[in-house]
Amino acid sequence: GAVVSQHPSWVICKSGTSVKIECRSLDFQATTMFWYRQFPKQSLMLMATSNEGSKATYEQGVEKDKFLINHASLTLSTLTVTSAHPEDSSFYICSAQSEEETQYFGPGTRLLVL
Amino acid sequence: QKEVEQDPGPLSVPEGAIVSLNCTYSNSAFQYFMWYRQYSRKGPELLMYTYSSGNKEDGRFTAQVDKSSKYISLFIRDSQPSDSATYLCAMSLLTGGGNKLTFGTGTQLKVEL
Repeated sequence: GAVVSQHPSWVICKSGTSVKIECRSLDFQATTMFWYRQFPKQSLMLMATSNEGSKATYEQGVEKDKFLINHASLTLSTLTVTSAHPEDSSFYICSAQSEEETQYFGPGTRLLVL
Repeated sequence: QKEVEQDPGPLSVPEGAIVSLNCTYSNSAFQYFMWYRQYSRKGPELLMYTYSSGNKEDGRFTAQVDKSSKYISLFIRDSQPSDSATYLCAMSLLTGGGNKLTFGTGTQLKVEL
């Protein structure tokens, strides 16, 4: 149980385009999901907390207009990187919080912006 | 000072060794402690979690929490090459408004044949 999927697993895009990443909890409902980014050999940095049916809460220094988060259902949250630039290239990981308040992570999405 | 300190390693051990991975933290309000394993280019996988001080065992893994010293450990017995990964400690305040985790930097472990 407690499986979280992400799609796509990797994406290459041109600078200036927007990229949408989906995070799904497959066998449980998650009122809260989290979005992280991770640079090589570094730990996970929390970007935002996504709550179903309400606006996301962004961490300090994360641009809400650049990283759009939508949590439209109890099993799906999306992160859209708008007008992506090479410095946005990173490993983006989502997690979904279970009823027991344990976070289960997705497999990650590797984004490369050319 | 970081809220959670973790030696990044790398830590290299022979197969069959007992591995000890550690984290220290500064915020005494942390209540919920977790260990995640992350293979290269994959998302973290939850190994163990605990709320209280003391030991919790699951197969070859033992998690230990000492709240008085603000110190947590993960022990791996009979280590295998498949245990080679980065191990991340994480902790949270259990605010009820979303269980925000604070991660250590991760310790890279290599178990050699």
